[in-house]
Amino acid sequence: QKEVEQDPGPLSVPEGAIVSLNCTYSNSAFQYFMWYRQYSRKGPELLMYTYSSGNKEDGRFTAQVDKSSKYISLFIRDSQPSDSATYLCAILTTQGGSEKLVFGKGTKLTVNP
Amino acid sequence: NAGVTQTPKFRVLKTGQSMTLLCAQDMNHEYMYWYRQDPGMGLRLIHYSVGEGTTAKGEVPDGYNVSRLKKQNFLLGLESAAPSQTSVYFCASSYRDRNYGYTFGSGTRLTVV
Repeated sequence: QKEVEQDPGPLSVPEGAIVSLNCTYSNSAFQYFMWYRQYSRKGPELLMYTYSSGNKEDGRFTAQVDKSSKYISLFIRDSQPSDSATYLCAILTTQGGSEKLVFGKGTKLTVNP
Repeated sequence: NAGVTQTPKFRVLKTGQSMTLLCAQDMNHEYMYWYRQDPGMGLRLIHYSVGEGTTAKGEVPDGYNVSRLKKQNFLLGLESAAPSQTSVYFCASSYRDRNYGYTFGSGTRLTVV
């Protein structure tokens, strides 16, 4: 089982829709969870970071972690065409005695005007 | 601040040729990373460095070498390029505390023909 699984989509929604992006992970010891946004032909940029179970809100974005289910989500309210990008979940893990960030494969989102 | 700068942005190589990709960061980050990103494969870690003069192998190190002679620079070398190394290469850097996430460069698109 891969450490991080993410549905690659693609996902297409109308402007104003609520978007739900999800990842599952395998190791219950994971504690730090991040979401990156990657626009076409650009590098990923950190969007949100969360440590504990529950919700973390930042404007139209909400990151949710359910450690009991090993499930993380990113919700986008009132989605805009400018939100069209690939969203990658990332989890900080320990491999070979050192910490590394392991990424999901990314979900491509298109918000249609 | 420029953040993470990668050069070159594009390159076409012939099979068997060699080249070096340069990554420079101006944030005084301790850690630096090289990833490759391929369709359907996500971001895969090639090599990383936890400090000046140190390097370590990641998930897909074969065919690549790296050097970190200065804290701000991390070089990725291809000694004998192969078509399988056609990819988009991203450099990233971070503080020792990876909870702050990684800062990525804008990528190098490499085609090996």
